Amino acid sequence: GAVVSQHPSRVICKSGTSVKIECRSLDFQATTMFWYRQFPKQSLMLMATSNEGSKATYEQGVEKDKFLINHASLTLSTLTVTSAHPEDSSFYICSASILQQTQYFGPGTRLLVL
Amino acid sequence: AQSVTQLGSHVSVSEGALVLLRCNYSSSVPPYLFWYVQYPNQGLQLLLKYTSAATLVKGINGFEAEFKKSETSFHLTKPSAHMSDAAEYFCAVSEGGNTPLVFGKGTRLSVIA
Repeated sequence: GAVVSQHPSRVICKSGTSVKIECRSLDFQATTMFWYRQFPKQSLMLMATSNEGSKATYEQGVEKDKFLINHASLTLSTLTVTSAHPEDSSFYICSASILQQTQYFGPGTRLLVL
Repeated sequence: AQSVTQLGSHVSVSEGALVLLRCNYSSSVPPYLFWYVQYPNQGLQLLLKYTSAATLVKGINGFEAEFKKSETSFHLTKPSAHMSDAAEYFCAVSEGGNTPLVFGKGTRLSVIA
């Protein structure tokens, strides 16, 4: 149980385009979903916290207009990187939690912006 | 504010040897503590968690960790390393509920045959 999926697993796009990443909890309803970013050989940095039906809470330094988060249901959250640039290239990981506090992580999405 | 310090960015052990990955935390409230493992180009898999119950926590794949409040530590151990244990390990802390995790910088474990 407690499986989280992400789609796509890998995406390459041109600079200036927008990319949408989906995060789904497959066998449970997630009260909260989190989006993290991980640079090579570094730890995970929290970008935003998302609760179903409400606006996401962004961490300091994360541009909410650039990284749009939508949490339309208890099983789906999306992250859209708008007008992507090469510096946005990274590994994006989502996690979903239920009331027991444990976060279950998706497999990650590797974004490469050319 | 909470923080996590993982001592040693890289640990190398021989196959069959003891694995010890160190984690110290800082928290103003009783912490929830976690160890996650990450294989290359994959997400994080939960190894074990401490949530104020037993101080010695057993996880998957033979790993365990002991919560020591006096030392503010939550070190991860495994009696005998296996080649498949080679991965990146992250210690994390949270305040409980649906609060975000704060991660350490990670420790890369190498297992030598």
